[in-house]
Amino acid sequence: QVQLVQSGAEVKKPGSSVKVSCKASGGTFSSYTISWVRQAPGQGLEWMGRIIPILGIANYAQKFQGRVTITADKSTSTAYMELSSLRSEDTAVYYCARVGEHLDFDYWGQGTLVTVSS
Amino acid sequence: NFMLTQPHSVSESPGKTVTISCTGSSGSIASNYVQWYQQRPGSAPTTVIYEDNQRPSGVPDRFSGSIDSSSNSASLTISGLKTEDEADYYCQSYDSSNRHAVFGGGTQLTVL
Repeated sequence: QVQLVQSGAEVKKPGSSVKVSCKASGGTFSSYTISWVRQAPGQGLEWMGRIIPILGIANYAQKFQGRVTITADKSTSTAYMELSSLRSEDTAVYYCARVGEHLDFDYWGQGTLVTVSS
Repeated sequence: NFMLTQPHSVSESPGKTVTISCTGSSGSIASNYVQWYQQRPGSAPTTVIYEDNQRPSGVPDRFSGSIDSSSNSASLTISGLKTEDEADYYCQSYDSSNRHAVFGGGTQLTVL
């Protein structure tokens, strides 16, 4: 069974950066696209970007271009999402999700709460 | 940029049928598959419909999806509503120009 396990909650100061990890098990990590989706408190889902680990190619939503970096380490089956220049509006739960063969997000991490506060 | 628009909330009684719409902003919604996710409070979303109208194993056949090209919209229909269906529902598809994923704003379903 595929599992995506994310790193723990973070509290950050405005202007700093955060890096969230997503470790995959039970599947072929490199073959599937991993996306990052965030959800601000009481708000909807927002796609941030994705990476294809086998190619090492990442794409980002225009809104986050220049502030987000998504990487993957095939040797540890772990994907990372780093968001810089944090502001209070970045307070959210950040999810990693696998894109399955039917192009849906078929497996999700448990979510990582990132709180940005001075 | 391609956007998907959903009603903010819907409500219906147990045993009834409810339909949630998801309207594409431009182009043809039929150009890319639409997925639907259910999200309960404090949990990650789970797929209830993929590829417009396919149900993952374990999802009851009370859930169905469809596409209406004339209105450029997708719909999620839940029949025989149960209180356990109360959740937020999100449609999702892809922007044809760059293949970036797009989510609708979500619909809160209340079963009362």
